[in-house]
Amino acid sequence: KQEVTQIPAALSVPEGENLVLNCSFTDSAIYNLQWFRQDPGKGLTSLLLIQSSQREQTSGRLNASLDKSSGRSTLYIAASQPGDSATYLCAVTPNTGGFKTIFGAGTRLFVKA
Amino acid sequence: EAQVTQNPRYLITVTGKKLTVTCSQNMNHEYMSWYRQDPGLGLRQIYYSMNVEVTDKGDVPEGYKVSRKEKRNFPLILESPSPNQTSLYFCASSLDPFEQGETEAFFGQGTRLTVV
Repeated sequence: KQEVTQIPAALSVPEGENLVLNCSFTDSAIYNLQWFRQDPGKGLTSLLLIQSSQREQTSGRLNASLDKSSGRSTLYIAASQPGDSATYLCAVTPNTGGFKTIFGAGTRLFVKA
Repeated sequence: EAQVTQNPRYLITVTGKKLTVTCSQNMNHEYMSWYRQDPGLGLRQIYYSMNVEVTDKGDVPEGYKVSRKEKRNFPLILESPSPNQTSLYFCASSLDPFEQGETEAFFGQGTRLTVV
């Protein structure tokens, strides 16, 4: 059964620091992996999506990589800002057993001004 | 504006009283799904739908029903709610999660349900 783990569970950094959030999954048979942002009391916002055939995606200060063989993805945030404070979730869609989506528990990020 | 709309945003109900949480999207998306989010357990998928009249169970379907009679709507039905269904619920939609480059998921704002 596919499991998604995110480390660390929480992270506090000073403004301006570059940081990496980690996501690991147990089964490499996936269609894609997505990174989301969730602000308190709000829904999820899609940040980046990486198809299984891709290695990375970039959007502004965000860069997400995917290494399917090792079951890992990283979300790199450059020059962090207080507005980046949120919970970051990764999710995979396995290509076996239907078309479910499985989320990690998230990394709660706090960027100090 | 492209969006996924859930209603209600907040609901307190009593055990056993049937309820429906509505979800509607205006993006002509094929794929829609329901999740519940609980502290320490993260987001777990309840049901999903690949298209009209095509639905399937996610990881935690027990106690829930869904229907997809129209492409834009995907209601979540709790026939006999119980306190363990107290949770934050999210609806999501995307074009086709398995087509290259066309899979960004859009989420609703959430429905906070309390069953007493």
